[in-house]
Amino acid sequence: SQKIEQNSEALNIQEGKTATLTCNYTNYSPAYLQWYRQDPGRGPVFLLLIRENEKEKRKERLKVTFDTTLKQSLFHITASQPADSATYLCAPGGSYIPTFGRGTSLIVHP
Amino acid sequence: EAGVAQSPRYKIIEKRQSVAFWCNPISGHATLYWYQQILGQGPKLLIQFQNNGVVDDSQLPKDRFSAERLKGVDSTLKIQPAKLEDSAVYLCASSYIGGYTFGSGTRLTVV
Repeated sequence: SQKIEQNSEALNIQEGKTATLTCNYTNYSPAYLQWYRQDPGRGPVFLLLIRENEKEKRKERLKVTFDTTLKQSLFHITASQPADSATYLCAPGGSYIPTFGRGTSLIVHP
Repeated sequence: EAGVAQSPRYKIIEKRQSVAFWCNPISGHATLYWYQQILGQGPKLLIQFQNNGVVDDSQLPKDRFSAERLKGVDSTLKIQPAKLEDSAVYLCASSYIGGYTFGSGTRLTVV
C-alpha cells in the first residue's frame, strides 16, 4: 500500500542554522509533491509544490528537492528563526487520493 | 481574498449523538475536500467534491458519515451516530490550481 514517511521525532535546531526535513514515499510515483506548515490549532498552510520533472524549487528561505529515484523529498529552511517553529507536512500528489504524511515538528531555539 | 470558512470552531457531544460541520470554500474553487486529522497524525481525506459531484469518498465511513455540496459551493459533513474514535479535527480545504487552502477546522470531542 502507498506509504508516506516523515520523521516522527521533533527536530530541534538553533536559530540561524539550516533545518532539513525528510519525506519518503513508497509504492507510488507522484507527479508532484507539496509541503505545508501547520501551527497548533490551525489548518495546514501551503508552502511549495515541486513537480516530478523539477529537481529543486526555492521560495525565499525555503528550498525543496524531489528525487524520484530515491522516492524522497527534502525540505530546507535556511537561516531558521524561532517563528519557523511548527509542524511541516508533505503531501505527494497526482492521480491518487490526496494524502498527507504525519508531519515533522520543527523547534527553533533562540 | 477571503479564506475557507468553517463552523463551528469547537464541538463537544456525547457518543451516539449527531453533529454537523459547515464549510464555505474560497469563491471560484471548484474542488472541495473534507479531511479528518487525529492528534499526532496527518490529515486523512474523507471526501473530495468537484463542483457538486463526488470525486472520491473511498475513505468515508458511510455507515455514519455523510457529506453534501449542494449547488457546488458550501458543504456540510455529518456524523450520525458519533463514536469516541471520531474525536478529531475536521478540516475543510478547497483548491483551484496548485496547493490546497485549508480552513481552521472544527475540533470535535466525543465523550
